[in-house]
Amino acid sequence: NAGVTQTPKFRVLKTGQSMTLLCAQDMNHEYMYWYRQDPGMGLRLIHYSVGEGTTAKGEVPDGYNVSRLKKQNFLLGLESAAPSQTSVYFCASSYLPGQGRYEQFFGPGTRLTVL
Amino acid sequence: LAKTTQPISMDSYEGQEVNITCSHNNIATNDYITWYQQFPSQGPRFIIQGYKTKVTNEVASLFIPADRKSSTLSLPRVSLSDTAVYYCLVGDSYSGAGSYQLTFGKGTKLSVIP
Repeated sequence: NAGVTQTPKFRVLKTGQSMTLLCAQDMNHEYMYWYRQDPGMGLRLIHYSVGEGTTAKGEVPDGYNVSRLKKQNFLLGLESAAPSQTSVYFCASSYLPGQGRYEQFFGPGTRLTVL
Repeated sequence: LAKTTQPISMDSYEGQEVNITCSHNNIATNDYITWYQQFPSQGPRFIIQGYKTKVTNEVASLFIPADRKSSTLSLPRVSLSDTAVYYCLVGDSYSGAGSYQLTFGKGTKLSVIP
C-alpha cells in the first residue's frame, strides 16, 4: 500500500494564481483532512471530510476550498493565492473514529511558496 | 476542544530515557490521549494512544494518572534518530454529527545529543 500520497511535492505560485493540491489514500479511510504547517508551528486544520461528497471547515478555512468526489481523493484548492498561504500542506486520513479513538495517517506534504 | 500544554524543547543524551509530560486539564470523559512524532520535512507519525493507566508498545510507553489531567510519554534509551518534534493530542469526543477535529499544538522539540 502506498498509504497517503500528495501531489505535487513542491510548487511556487505568483500572487493571484490558482492551484489544486491532490491527496490520495488507498486504505479505504472514511475521514480525510487538510492541514497547514507554518515554520515553528504545529499543524492547523483547514478542512476535513467525513465521507465521500461531504466537507466541513476546520480552524483556518478562509482562502481554501475542498472537494471529495471520490472516497480515496481529497482536493484542496486555492482560487487566488496570497503570500500568507505560503506553507507546508499535509493531508491525512483515518478510519471512522468512534468513541474518541483515532489514528491519522499523514502524507509527505506539499511545500507551497506564494510570491 | 481540550487543549494541551507541553514543554517547548528538551535535550537528552543518547541512551537515556526521556519523559515528556503533557498537561490537559480539560480532558473530557470520552477523550483519548495520543502522541505523534514528526521529523523535519515529514508528516507526523502516530506513536501511541491511551485512555488511562499505562500503555506500552514497541516504541514508547504512555503513563496516564487516575485523574487523566496529564500524561507522560516515555522513550526508552533514545538514539540520535529520535530527534524530532513530539505532539500530545487529546481527541475531541465523537459527536453525532460525525465531526472529529484534532488540535496540534507546537509540540516538544526533542534534541538527542551524542
